[in-house]
Amino acid sequence: GAVVSQHPSWVICKSGTSVKIECRSLDFQATTMFWYRQFPKQSLMLMATSNEGSKATYEQGVEKDKFLINHASLTLSTLTVTSAHPEDSSFYICSAMTADTQYFGPGTRLTVL
Amino acid sequence: QKEVEQNSGPLSVPEGAIASLNCTYSDRGSQSFFWYRQYSGKSPELIMSIYSNGDKEDGRFTAQLNKASQYVSLLIRDSQPSDSATYLCAVIVLKGRDNRKLIWGLGTSLAVNP
Repeated sequence: GAVVSQHPSWVICKSGTSVKIECRSLDFQATTMFWYRQFPKQSLMLMATSNEGSKATYEQGVEKDKFLINHASLTLSTLTVTSAHPEDSSFYICSAMTADTQYFGPGTRLTVL
Repeated sequence: QKEVEQNSGPLSVPEGAIASLNCTYSDRGSQSFFWYRQYSGKSPELIMSIYSNGDKEDGRFTAQLNKASQYVSLLIRDSQPSDSATYLCAVIVLKGRDNRKLIWGLGTSLAVNP
């Protein structure tokens, strides 16, 4: 149980384009989902907390207009990286929470050329 | 003081030994504690959760919680090379009325040598 999927698992895009990443809780409903970013050999960095049906809460320093988060249902949250640039290249990981426990998706590796 | 602290390591143990990973936290009101394992290039996976003082065992893993001393530890018995990973400690802290936040340690890198 408590399986979280992410799609795509990797994506390569050109600078200036937008990329959408989906996060789904497959066997449970998650009122809260989280989006993290991780650069090589660095720790997890929480970007935002996404609550179903309401606006996401962004961590300090994370641009909400650049990283658009939508949590339209209890099993799906999406992160859109708008006008991506090479410095946005990173490993993006979502997690979904049930009973105070976060379960992670497998991550999406984004490379912006 | 950081809210959740871990020794970054690397912690190196021989195969078959017991690996001991420690984590301290600053918020005395914390109630929920988690250990995650993260292999290089992969996302974290939950190993154990613990909520009450004492030990909780699951296979080769034992989590230990001491709320009075504000530490939580993870013991890995009969360590295997496949246990080599970064171990992340996470603690739920109260940030206000009805506002609970999961705070992460920076992780301890474990290397199990064959």
